[in-house]
Amino acid sequence: NAGVTQTPKFQVLKTGQSMTLQCAQDMNHNSMYWYRQDPGMGLRLIYYSASEGTTDKGEVPNGYNVSRLNKREFSLRLESAAPSQTSVYFCASTPIGTGELFFGEGSRLTVL
Amino acid sequence: GENVEQHPSTLSVQEGDSAVIKCTYSDSASNYFPWYKQELGKRPQLIIDIRSNVGEKKDQRIAVTLNKTAKHFSLHITETQPEDSAVYFCAASSNNAGNMLTFGGGTRLMVKP
Repeated sequence: NAGVTQTPKFQVLKTGQSMTLQCAQDMNHNSMYWYRQDPGMGLRLIYYSASEGTTDKGEVPNGYNVSRLNKREFSLRLESAAPSQTSVYFCASTPIGTGELFFGEGSRLTVL
Repeated sequence: GENVEQHPSTLSVQEGDSAVIKCTYSDSASNYFPWYKQELGKRPQLIIDIRSNVGEKKDQRIAVTLNKTAKHFSLHITETQPEDSAVYFCAASSNNAGNMLTFGGGTRLMVKP
């Protein structure tokens, strides 16, 4: 039982390049999330998926797109990366009823 | 939307002392308040949570208190140990599913041996 797995762990991009962060969970959780973490600003929600087939914007969705490919997988895409998107990205999932977020190990993205 | 403020941003205590971290929230409909601990380079992990029908909850050396009237909640760590050194985040949401958790800015706790 691997929990929540994210790839890649590290990535350096040039401004304007695109990339996709992959996330998969093997805990049969319904809801999945993407957060970004910046110093002094806590964790801010980018997008979430309450269940397979649905996605919704969070607090900071601009510049990102998501796909809930199936119950296990939830990907985050940056179409045209900007330096302001330099951050650590965390994928998370939660089962029905508890509210507890289970986080992946994080993906550190640098945009030059 | 919800706004969560967390203080202090850094806290340094001597081993064995107590540490208190405070958070305020803006949405009176919020009813779920978790606390997460993030060790350096690691993922955040839930350490304790409280729901709005409870005023206090304890788990060994950790306790959380909630004042709904004042819209603030606090984390109390007693008999601190070096392994308590980490960044702590409070959060609030207005539904128990947690799909719209709003996090505070975090508190870096340093426990000096």
